[in-house]
Amino acid sequence: DVKVTQSSRYLVKRTGEKVFLECVQDMDHENMFWYRQDPGLGLRLIYFSYDVKMKEKGDIPEGYSVSREKKERFSLILESASTNQTSMYLCASSSRHLYSNQPQHFGDGTRLSIL
Amino acid sequence: TQLLEQSPQFLSIQEGENLTVYCNSSSVFSSLQWYRQEPGEGPVLLVTVVTGGEVKKLKRLTFQFGDARKDSSLHITAAQPGDTGLYLCAGADQAGTALIFGKGTTLSVSS
Repeated sequence: DVKVTQSSRYLVKRTGEKVFLECVQDMDHENMFWYRQDPGLGLRLIYFSYDVKMKEKGDIPEGYSVSREKKERFSLILESASTNQTSMYLCASSSRHLYSNQPQHFGDGTRLSIL
Repeated sequence: TQLLEQSPQFLSIQEGENLTVYCNSSSVFSSLQWYRQEPGEGPVLLVTVVTGGEVKKLKRLTFQFGDARKDSSLHITAAQPGDTGLYLCAGADQAGTALIFGKGTTLSVSS
């Protein structure tokens, strides 16, 4: 079974801090994704990556950056955390060919609170 | 812009009732996926529908893809408390690089 592991289930940080969220997948997937999930707004794509060192902006990239130095690891960085970034963050991975209907496999999420 | 609209947003029913959740768009999708997310966990794929008019069954869950590939439905027969969760539909964007998700239907089944 595919396993996507997010480094923390719960995280509390202060405004202005630099925050790192880590995600590791064990199925050699090419694609990796970061979403945030908020009540009433659904899943919104922040960034995704289709290869090592490659990244693409999603729908809401402002205030975030990402890093993919190794195929199995995709990091989300909040450069200077703000209270409006309090949310559930979900990482996902999939094999390259989206048109072949490969599913996305999700981690269990990190609930991040910015105080 | 491709959008997927789900309805209803919330559904609270008794065990044994039937229900249908809808996923609609003005855009054509090459396929649609349905996920279920339980509290404290990430979404898990239930099914992918690919062909217009396709019907897929997963035990008490029946998924249908519209003939024009713009809409899909999920029907649950004799709902059980274990069906409780957030149901999400998703389709590939036009570039084929990312999924577009609906906002989801939160289902609560009480015994």
